[in-house]
Amino acid sequence: DAKTTQPTSMDCAEGRAANLPCNHSTISGNEYVYWYRQIHSQGPQYIIHGLKNNETNEMASLIITEDRKSSTLILPHATLRDTAVYYCIVRALSSEKLTFGTGTRLTIIP
Amino acid sequence: GAVVSQHPSWVICKSGTSVKIECRSLDFQATTMFWYRQFPKQSLMLMATSNEGSKATYEQGVEKDKFLINHASLTLSTLTVTSAHPEDSSFYICSARGGPQEQYFGPGTRLTVT
Repeated sequence: DAKTTQPTSMDCAEGRAANLPCNHSTISGNEYVYWYRQIHSQGPQYIIHGLKNNETNEMASLIITEDRKSSTLILPHATLRDTAVYYCIVRALSSEKLTFGTGTRLTIIP
Repeated sequence: GAVVSQHPSWVICKSGTSVKIECRSLDFQATTMFWYRQFPKQSLMLMATSNEGSKATYEQGVEKDKFLINHASLTLSTLTVTSAHPEDSSFYICSARGGPQEQYFGPGTRLTVT
């Protein structure tokens, strides 16, 4: 599975949109982009995933660039409960494993 | 989404004893479950992949005789840390594969070995 690069940490004001970037320049055509988050001392929580089209669900939006070398997770109206470590993971459907990188520690500021 | 539970949520044991951690998929069947370990301020590290009815596949550097995995049914996998030592103290997290694209995580088990 391709590697990903994320900023170590980010701050975002409560009520604002949080935009979390992820670089995956070596992504292959059959690899999906997944986003998970981990709130302190809990198991990771699935957020969203996509292949090449932009995706939106009740939690977030995922914007994938046309060349698929990077993506952005958007939390439209961040709340204090969104403070967590966010992991961007690239995985092929044929691969069973999810390989976690260091993620981005997002802190929502009141 | 699907629910995965772990038991216990935390455990303290003495050095040299063994500890068993259970992972259950509550509302779906999982032929594949995964066990991760997470040390403080670090990311999750995959320890092993557990397949129902067959032997687990361990990641490089993980001692299979120390971390015994049993996946006896489609809803239950267990991880037994044998002869635990203080360096085994960690946050152990399981996940279960609910389909080709979904993987659901348990809440984690914090193990402290004294």
